[in-house]
Amino acid sequence: DTGVSQNPRHKITKRGQNVTFRCDPISEHNRLYWYRQTLGQGPEFLTYFQNEAQLEKSRLLSDRFSAERPKGSFSTLEIQRTEQGDSAMYLCASSPGTGGGRRNTEAFFGQGTRLTVV
Amino acid sequence: KQEVTQIPAALSVPEGENLVLNCSFTDSAIYNLQWFRQDPGKGLTSLLLIQSSQREQTSGRLNASLDKSSGRSTLYIAASQPGDSATYLCAVRPGGGGNKLTFGTGTQLKVEL
Repeated sequence: DTGVSQNPRHKITKRGQNVTFRCDPISEHNRLYWYRQTLGQGPEFLTYFQNEAQLEKSRLLSDRFSAERPKGSFSTLEIQRTEQGDSAMYLCASSPGTGGGRRNTEAFFGQGTRLTVV
Repeated sequence: KQEVTQIPAALSVPEGENLVLNCSFTDSAIYNLQWFRQDPGKGLTSLLLIQSSQREQTSGRLNASLDKSSGRSTLYIAASQPGDSATYLCAVRPGGGGNKLTFGTGTQLKVEL
């Protein structure tokens, strides 16, 4: 178990281009989350999956953003027609979600994908 | 709407000093609270998770306390070391095991030799 893995680590793109990020959660974690973090701020929630079902989306997730988690394993976050305001660190987290005890909500984060839109 | 505040925003201490980081939240109906560490340009590392029914949790030199009714948590770091230099973030999960964490803006800690 190598923890939550995110790819790529860095992405520079021109305004208007589409980008896609990938997140591989800790195996057997059925909950997966995406957050966005801008400089000097704490992460802000974007969306949440339980297995393959996307159960919650933030109002921050505009129509240009879409997330999927096919087969309840890895997840992708796509941003279409990128804007300079999309420049941020995109963080993925997972938690067990099942099993005994209340610690099943503990969130484990990946290293993030740093997006720069020029 | 839950709001999380962390004070101070930045802190610089000499090596060996004991220190306290503060976190306050406006809605006391939380499920749990989690403290994280973030190194520059990196992701978040979970340090401690404290359930709403608990008063404190300890891991090594770290001790987190929770006073849910007053909406406060503290992270105590004993015998600080230069390797402790990082940003420390607290986050609360809403009551009922809700799905999103609400984060503070963090305390940037520098431990000097």
